[in-house]
Amino acid sequence: GAVVSQHPSWVICKSGTSVKIECRSLDFQATTMFWYRQFPKQSLMLMATSNEGSKATYEQGVEKDKFLINHASLTLSTLTVTSAHPEDSSFYICSARRDFGYEQYFGPGTRLTVT
Amino acid sequence: AQTVTQSQPEMSVQEAETVTLSCTYDTSESDYYLFWYKQPPSRQMILVIRQEAYKQQNATENRFSVNFQKAAKSFSLKISDSQLGDAAMYFCAYSGGSRLTFGEGTQLTVNP
Repeated sequence: GAVVSQHPSWVICKSGTSVKIECRSLDFQATTMFWYRQFPKQSLMLMATSNEGSKATYEQGVEKDKFLINHASLTLSTLTVTSAHPEDSSFYICSARRDFGYEQYFGPGTRLTVT
Repeated sequence: AQTVTQSQPEMSVQEAETVTLSCTYDTSESDYYLFWYKQPPSRQMILVIRQEAYKQQNATENRFSVNFQKAAKSFSLKISDSQLGDAAMYFCAYSGGSRLTFGEGTQLTVNP
């Protein structure tokens, strides 16, 4: 159990457009979901924490108007990159945590390429 | 703020040999969790082993074991009988119960 999926796995978009990435917990309810960004050969950087039904908490330096996070249900969180630019190209990873739990379960990641 | 440091950007080991990856952390909390994650070329994060700080006994999962030194704030990972499939980026991570803080990672190469 504790499977997390992400869709799409790879997306290419043009500069100035928006792209939405979905993160789903398939076999458990996720009270909290996390979004990370990872550049090649670097560590994971936490972008934001989202709790179901409430606004996301963004890390310092992350533009909340550019990276819109919606955690509308206990199994789905979405990250929308608005007005994407080439510098937004990266690998985005989500994770989910059960209620009363401390372990995070990771999705397979989404590679975003902005041309 | 909690910090996690992995001082070995790269490590290599011969197949069937043993390798130890180092990790130190800084925290003022007394109750927390420590993890080692493996990230293969697919980039899927895979949990290798976890340690609850309140447990004195070092965690073990098959060929993987940790040396948890709470006073020294050290959490090293030992991989025994290394296999080619162990080649990956390894991240040490700390959690106080909410967010995860990751180290910079150690790229492990396994030589046949």
